[in-house]
Amino acid sequence: DAGVTQSPTHLIKTRGQQVTLRCSPKSGHDTVSWYQQALGQGPQFIFQYYEEEERQRGNFPDRFSGHQFPNYSSELNVNALLLGDSALYLCASTERNRDGYTFGSGTRLTVV
Amino acid sequence: SQKIEQNSEALNIQEGKTATLTCNYTNYSPAYLQWYRQDPGRGPVFLLLIRENEKEKRKERLKVTFDTTLKQSLFHITASQPADSATYLCAPMDSSYKLIFGSGTRLLVRP
Repeated sequence: DAGVTQSPTHLIKTRGQQVTLRCSPKSGHDTVSWYQQALGQGPQFIFQYYEEEERQRGNFPDRFSGHQFPNYSSELNVNALLLGDSALYLCASTERNRDGYTFGSGTRLTVV
Repeated sequence: SQKIEQNSEALNIQEGKTATLTCNYTNYSPAYLQWYRQDPGRGPVFLLLIRENEKEKRKERLKVTFDTTLKQSLFHITASQPADSATYLCAPMDSSYKLIFGSGTRLLVRP
């Protein structure tokens, strides 16, 4: 049973560009959350999707947007990239009323 | 604002000893509290969840306590092994399934 799959694994972008990261949740999971993790820090909550709607949002600017598709997969879009957006972006999925989130291995984004 | 605090300094212990990690939270009333393990370059891995009405939860060599009065959770690994070396993340969660992480505590188990 595949866990959470994220693509791409690594990405290098130029400041000002736009990027789309993708996530396929674990089979049977309907809730997807995205996190940004800087080196040496804990994951920071970006937003959560359930039933194709953004349900919760962390303290991130509108440059960060997302989408959830009917098959529960999700995308994270970041516009007007800044150097400070360089981080590991993690996708996590869960099934409502179940214990624990399953995380992907992340996408390492470098903005130059 | 919500704040989750974990020991920022690494915990360095001898193999076979019990490791105890602390998580304190403020301005928050989580319904659940989860603990995760994270290895370098990898995503966190779920270990245990404890509910607000539970005082203690055990799973093999792991034990978690949850004190809603002190706003604190303790995470114990008994008979620690070098393979337990990793960063351990505390993550309170409210009823909306929004999971917020602390910065993590790095555990080093010496053989």
